[in-house]
Amino acid sequence: QIQLVQSGAEVKNSGSSVKVSCKASGGTFSSYTIDWVRQAPGQGLEWMGRVIPGLGISNYAQRFQGRITITADRFTTTAYMELSSLRSEDTAVYYCAWGRGEGSPYWGQGTLVTVAS
Amino acid sequence: DIQMTQSPSSLPASVGDRVNITCRASHGIAISLAWYQQKPGKAPKLLLSSASRLESGVPSRFSGGESGTDYTLTISGLQPEDFATYYCQQYYSIPRTFGQGTKVEIK
Repeated sequence: QIQLVQSGAEVKNSGSSVKVSCKASGGTFSSYTIDWVRQAPGQGLEWMGRVIPGLGISNYAQRFQGRITITADRFTTTAYMELSSLRSEDTAVYYCAWGRGEGSPYWGQGTLVTVAS
Repeated sequence: DIQMTQSPSSLPASVGDRVNITCRASHGIAISLAWYQQKPGKAPKLLLSSASRLESGVPSRFSGGESGTDYTLTISGLQPEDFATYYCQQYYSIPRTFGQGTKVEIK
């Protein structure tokens, strides 16, 4: 059974950066993808990007290009999402999700990032 | 980007009802569609993939259908634990876009 454990809640100042980690266990880390999805308070789900650990490839949603970096360390089976130039609209719960290319059956518990203006 | 237009945004229903939620893709996505259920304060749960393939452990009252670029999630015989928000997501292309969500609430 795959488990994803994310790092704890963060409070950041506007203009700063945040890096959220996602530790995977119980599965083959390199063979699939780790997606990052966020959810602003009271809002829907927003796909931000993904990394394919086995290939070292990352893809991002256009609206985050230039501000987001998603990486994965195959040796520690941990994925990271770093978002820079934070603004109040980035206040959200950030989720990592393990995928096989046909939806994501395993999700982390979520990390609340609060951006103080 | 492929846009996923989900409707309705809110769906009042009663226990035992049959409910339908629809997602329309702006382009063909070749059944590359997943449905998720989300309850307050929890991560989404994958219900179906490939438009109609039920995930392990998901009750058979959940089903999915497809007609062209329209995809439907049906819950046959709504149970108390089914009151939640449902999202579709296409995985045909990057970015993996979600629908806006449908909140199934008690009538």
